[in-house]
Amino acid sequence: EAQVTQNPRYLITVTGKKLTVTCSQNMNHEYMSWYRQDPGLGLRQIYYSMNVEVTDKGDVPEGYKVSRKEKRNFPLILESPSPNQTSLYFCASSYSGGVGIQYFGAGTRLSVL
Amino acid sequence: GENVEQHPSTLSVQEGDSAVIKCTYSDSASNYFPWYKQELGKRPQLIIDIRSNVGEKKDQRIAVTLNKTAKHFSLHITETQPEDSAVYFCAASDSGGGADGLTFGKGTHLIIQP
Repeated sequence: EAQVTQNPRYLITVTGKKLTVTCSQNMNHEYMSWYRQDPGLGLRQIYYSMNVEVTDKGDVPEGYKVSRKEKRNFPLILESPSPNQTSLYFCASSYSGGVGIQYFGAGTRLSVL
Repeated sequence: GENVEQHPSTLSVQEGDSAVIKCTYSDSASNYFPWYKQELGKRPQLIIDIRSNVGEKKDQRIAVTLNKTAKHFSLHITETQPEDSAVYFCAASDSGGGADGLTFGKGTHLIIQP
């Protein structure tokens, strides 16, 4: 079954404690991206990757890091989380980059205390 | 960068009536305009998309129109049904110049009244 898998689905942490949200896709897509969703603000792109070792900033990259060492994986790293990063995070992948259908993961709800 | 404005933020219609959601974008280089539907507690899923070389596209009860001159595009849902209740997001993408980001609007909460 074609899917995008995020882990964990729910995470509560404290300010400053480094965390990683994993994302994996089994569709051999070159393009992967991360979004955060906040009430009233919609979906905002954090980072995207057009291929292995190629990443680029989206609209809200501050406070986040990503890496793309393998085609299937695109982890999101928060080196020093702060309360304003409390949000619902979605990973997505696409066959045709930003101009193709985005297949979203189930989401990760993060709370930073 | 691209800026996408979406209106209205909330739309309530009677079951069976039509619903229209409108979006404007700022970057004239944008060439791809998808619409995503997000049901409560679920992930966004593509329902229809349109490219800049097309003015209108239909898929059963759903249609999207694009006016490149005015830089706006709209989602039309006819004969609305209870299962159409969801949040709808428009988006715009520009794949030129090596960049390939996707910018979403803030969303429209569509409520179908029985």
